[in-house]
This record gives sequence, C-alpha cells and structure tokens, in this order.
Amino acid sequence: DTEVTQTPKHLVMGMTNKKSLKCEQHMGHRAMYWYKQKAKKPPELMFVYSYEKLSINESVPSRFSPECPNSSLLNLHLHALQPEDSALYLCASSSGLAALGDTQYFGPGTRLTVL
Amino acid sequence: QQQVKQSPQSLIVQKGGISIINCAYENTAFDYFPWYQQFPGKGPALLIAIRPDVSEKKEGRFTISFNKSAKQFSLHIMDSQPGDSATYFCASTGAGGTSYGKLTFGQGTILTVHP
Repeated sequence: DTEVTQTPKHLVMGMTNKKSLKCEQHMGHRAMYWYKQKAKKPPELMFVYSYEKLSINESVPSRFSPECPNSSLLNLHLHALQPEDSALYLCASSSGLAALGDTQYFGPGTRLTVL
Repeated sequence: QQQVKQSPQSLIVQKGGISIINCAYENTAFDYFPWYQQFPGKGPALLIAIRPDVSEKKEGRFTISFNKSAKQFSLHIMDSQPGDSATYFCASTGAGGTSYGKLTFGQGTILTVHP
C-alpha cells in the first residue's frame, strides 16, 4: 500500500484564523515532505522531515509551522495567512533509508483558500 | 540554480498515437529520474522512474529513454488513451549537495488525448 492521506480535503480560512493540515502514512517511511502547488505549476518544496527531525526548510515564511509528532504523522500549522497562500498543499513520504532522494509518494492534497 | 527543462508545455494527440515529452537536466549529481502524472485536483502519482545505469525502462505503455551524455530523458506513451489526459511532470534528484532530499521538477506538460 503506497497511500498517503491528507485532511481536510478543502479548507477556507480568514487571514486571522489558525488552522492545521494533517498528513499520515503507514508505509514505514522515515522521510516526509510538505509541498505547495499553484495552478498549472509544479510542486514547490516547503519542508522535509527525516527521522522526525526537520532537515530542510526552503525559507518558508513563519506563518507556516511544520510539526512531526511521530514517524507516521506530519502537520502543517497555519496562522495569519495571506490570500496569495491559497494553493494545493501536498504531503509526500519516502523511505528515507538510502537517501532522501528516493521515491516520493504524494497524498491527494488539501485545497486551501485564504479569504 | 539547478533546473530541469521540460517540453512541450502542452501536447495534443489522437487516441492510439504516441505522446513524447522531453526533459533536460543540468546537475550531473542527479541519479534518479521519476515521472509523475497528475489529474486535476489530485496529488501527483508516480508513473515510472529510471536511474542512469540503464538507457531505457518500459512499464506497459510507458517508456523512459535516458541519455546520460546529453543529460536528457524522455517519456513515451504508446497507444495513448483519453484516460491518459493529465499533466505530466518530470523530476530529478540525487544525494549530496543542495539537491539532497529535494525533487527538482520540470514545468509540466498538459497532455490531451482526443478520442
């Protein structure tokens, strides 16, 4: 099973709200990723966790705060977002055994709209 | 900045035809080249991937051709079907340096297969 699940599927929030996106995988993967994807563009990497430690932060604004409670879960906490943050947020995971560059499996994404 | 250049941006083929999408990379440290298929509103799904120790890999109707000396790789979809209509992203990654743990995506190709 190569399934990565994400909740919620859709989220609408105001600029003063605080919300969280959740991601879960049960493939025993030890690397997990957050991506942001705008329409008709490729996914852009935001964060990488390897063995529950933050390995890569692609200079993402502090209004996005990742958290990895355990090896199966990944959260993205959102606060004081801007309308330009509206996008599809994708979670991915990979084995992380040989290298972080191994096969990444993506979830279905959360469609975020910031009003 | 390390890039992956993908062409064409869009492609229209008739049912039963061959779809060809090309990618070129710059970073010689890249050692893994996956292709992802993405339907509207869904996350990217791994289609097929290749490592540079082989020049071709075939899975069903999908074939990757790899030219290490030219730093190019391509996706061929044989007997294209309307259900293949989607956006296709090539990607590259490798261990070591700034590319470690990071997929570098091409800009995507929107494929439309007419019945």
